[in-house]
Amino acid sequence: AQSVSQHNHHVILSEAASLELGCNYSYGGTVNLFWYVQYPGQHLQLLLKYFSGDPLVKGIKGFEAEFIKSKFSFNLRKPSVQWSDTAEYFCAVTPSNFGNEKLTFGTGTRLTIIP
Amino acid sequence: EAGVVQSPRYKIIEKKQPVAFWCNPISGHNTLYWYLQNLGQGPELLIRYENEEAVDDSQLPKDRFSAERLKGVDSTLKIQPAELGDSAVYLCASSLNNSPLHFGNGTRLTVT
Repeated sequence: AQSVSQHNHHVILSEAASLELGCNYSYGGTVNLFWYVQYPGQHLQLLLKYFSGDPLVKGIKGFEAEFIKSKFSFNLRKPSVQWSDTAEYFCAVTPSNFGNEKLTFGTGTRLTIIP
Repeated sequence: EAGVVQSPRYKIIEKKQPVAFWCNPISGHNTLYWYLQNLGQGPELLIRYENEEAVDDSQLPKDRFSAERLKGVDSTLKIQPAELGDSAVYLCASSLNNSPLHFGNGTRLTVT
């Protein structure tokens, strides 16, 4: 079975700092990868996804993620964070031939942006 | 489009009492999911419906948990009786086939 590791549990940054949140997965086959975000008091929402093609994926609000197959990683990046990026971020993976039925989430990274 | 609607938003009950959560998915979404999210953890699948059929309930503790999705639209998740360890957030999500999931706001359950 696949698994997802998010090693950063809580990240604290100042506004305008650059962000990189780690996500590593374990699965031997082809995968679909996702980042979801949960702003305080709101529902989980999709930030970006990777199914195939260009390994550099751009999402909403200036976020991007790079799929590095050799490292089994899908790290989330943003060049300059804002206070409004304060949220919890979840990485998720599913084997490509299973779709949502095998979707596995990481434990999440809480991001706090200091004004 | 209207999002996934869940109610109630919060629920506090005493142990051994029953509780029910309701979910209305996005219109037209044939697949509905119930997830459990414990504090400090990511969502974990409890049950997945395709239309009105429960196609994966392997992670649902069937001794106390039950779910239904009548007419393949909205769904109810029930716990009877609740235990202290059931305190968590219960998330509902929906999708059109294998498109990315859309989540509701969740129901935060506290069992005292």
